[in-house]
Amino acid sequence: DTEVTQTPKHLVMGMTNKKSLKCEQHMGHRAMYWYKQKAKKPPELMFVYSYEKLSINESVPSRFSPECPNSSLLNLHLHALQPEDSALYLCASSLVLYETQYFGPGTRLLVL
Amino acid sequence: KNEVEQSPQNLTAQEGEFITINCSYSVGISALHWLQQHPGGGIVSLFMLSSGKKKHGRLIATINIQEKHSSLHITASHPRDSAVYICAVRRANTGNQFYFGTGTSLTVIP
Repeated sequence: DTEVTQTPKHLVMGMTNKKSLKCEQHMGHRAMYWYKQKAKKPPELMFVYSYEKLSINESVPSRFSPECPNSSLLNLHLHALQPEDSALYLCASSLVLYETQYFGPGTRLLVL
Repeated sequence: KNEVEQSPQNLTAQEGEFITINCSYSVGISALHWLQQHPGGGIVSLFMLSSGKKKHGRLIATINIQEKHSSLHITASHPRDSAVYICAVRRANTGNQFYFGTGTSLTVIP
């Protein structure tokens, strides 16, 4: 298994909803990443986990809450989002921190 | 000013043309990555370079550490090469953080 999977592919939510994005890899990678990408812009790093511990939080608002329950799974919990949070959320993993990253297809989020 | 600059921002080529995309950076790095992003979001890591040159099929990536510059070349371009190509650098000595270029949007016309 050489891919990173993300669910759901698309998500529409209201500003009062609570939802979660899920990312999974079975390549034995010990580093996992969340990125946010707005249209026609490069990805922006949000969070980095290394060996299931949060390594980097790029000053992301608390309405985004990451969780790494095990080495294969990375969640992003969403609560009280704003319309400007609408974007493509990409997950990536690498064997160890900051080595070649393998990206998932992304979850396209729309906040109404 | 961005730490990573790419040129051109947009590029249209005829099928079969040789294509070059450039990336310049202003910080000390431990590695440079070239990524390919197709419409719809999926990102593929093409190369990771710390020196010299790498080749994979019709793609060639080079890096000059002294000049802080990398190029991605595509030989015999094909419409399926149409994508956004992103240069990303892993900055040394600051927690190994990644910085991304703004991307080059390539369209190859049949």
